[in-house]
Amino acid sequence: NAGVTQTPKFQVLKTGQSMTLQCAQDMNHEYMSWYRQDPGMGLRLIHYSVGAGITDQGEVPNGYNVSRSTTEDFPLRLLSAAPSQTSVYFCATQLRGRGYNEQFFGPGTRLTVL
Amino acid sequence: GQQLNQSPQSMFIQEGEDVSMNCTSSSIFNTWLWYKQDPGEGPVLLIALYKAGELTSNGRLTAQFGITRKDSFLNISASIPSDVGIYFCAGPLNSGNTPLVFGKGTRLSVIA
Repeated sequence: NAGVTQTPKFQVLKTGQSMTLQCAQDMNHEYMSWYRQDPGMGLRLIHYSVGAGITDQGEVPNGYNVSRSTTEDFPLRLLSAAPSQTSVYFCATQLRGRGYNEQFFGPGTRLTVL
Repeated sequence: GQQLNQSPQSMFIQEGEDVSMNCTSSSIFNTWLWYKQDPGEGPVLLIALYKAGELTSNGRLTAQFGITRKDSFLNISASIPSDVGIYFCAGPLNSGNTPLVFGKGTRLSVIA
């Protein structure tokens, strides 16, 4: 079991470039989400998905697109990178159902936009 | 949107000391969660609380779900160097238990 994997681990982009951050899970969790972490800001939710074909916006969705075609994958797309998107990005998954089920985080992608 | 306020923002303590941190909200939460993030890693769940007044331990860690449902506390006893990291409180935004909202974290440094 690999759990939650994220690629790449590090990425440097120039302003205006596009890229996709990959997130994959092998735990058959319905729920997946993307957070960004900036110094002193905690974890802020970008987008989330409660199942294949369903996505919704979080607290800071502007500049990011997502899609969920399979249970396993939840890619995050930056269409035109901006320096304000320099951050550490975390993908997380959770099994839905009654009561709370632990949310598992990937190791993160560290993105720098010049 | 809903906000979780954590305090203190950072702490420097001597090895062996006890640590207390808390999290408050203007809204009621039905679940309180405490996560720890080691440097360079993703957060990992430490303790989950489901009932008002609940007190739960995980080794040297003890967390409490406040009676008002608007706060929670985390205590670490006899701190050791590996306790270093950022501690986050979190709670579900709605009754469906997803998604989560996180506090800004308490950064803990332990001086040996």
